[in-house]
Amino acid sequence: DTGVSQDPRHKITKRGQNVTFRCDPISEHNRLYWYRQTLGQGPEFLTYFQNEAQLEKSRLLSDRFSAERPKGSFSTLEIQRTEQGDSAMYLCASSHHYRENTEAFFGQGTRLTVV
Amino acid sequence: AQTVTQSQPEMSVQEAETVTLSCTYDTSESDYYLFWYKQPPSRQMILVIRQEAYKQQNATENRFSVNFQKAAKSFSLKISDSQLGDAAMYFCAYKEGGADGLTFGKGTHLIIQP
Repeated sequence: DTGVSQDPRHKITKRGQNVTFRCDPISEHNRLYWYRQTLGQGPEFLTYFQNEAQLEKSRLLSDRFSAERPKGSFSTLEIQRTEQGDSAMYLCASSHHYRENTEAFFGQGTRLTVV
Repeated sequence: AQTVTQSQPEMSVQEAETVTLSCTYDTSESDYYLFWYKQPPSRQMILVIRQEAYKQQNATENRFSVNFQKAAKSFSLKISDSQLGDAAMYFCAYKEGGADGLTFGKGTHLIIQP
């Protein structure tokens, strides 16, 4: 296992289209997180899963954003009816639950450009 | 809501010198963790160092050390013997104990002058 993998690395889409991003965490990690990072800012926490359960989703930016982790392994983040303001880097991270302060390992991110 | 403030958008240091990056945070919690992450250009974020709030001793990882001032809610990162590979964005981050999701500052762009 080489780390957290995100696909695609880059996505250009037209305004109004739906997009879906995939994240494959480190295999033994049961927690998975999604963040958004806009230019010149630090990452902004969106949501996280413990196994297949989504334990926090109130920080998702709008009802156009949704995330799933159906089998407790990979996760998808979907943005419906994209807007230009959705252009950002979307980061995924994973960690192991049983070590409270363990580090979160980040993927390289998916850069979304909405035109 | 917790906030993390990094007041230095950019810092520059000569190779082999020492540099300190500043971070302050605001919280009413007593159980929390603090982190410094490094984000090199076009590469993923990696953890540099972590500090548990209940520990009085400052964390150290090789050339990286922190100055954790709990009462002042300050968490600065000192990089000794700076190397060209240290050039990156550095983010300070906060996490409540028992809760999840990191709160990040805006970052400091560190430039290493050869």
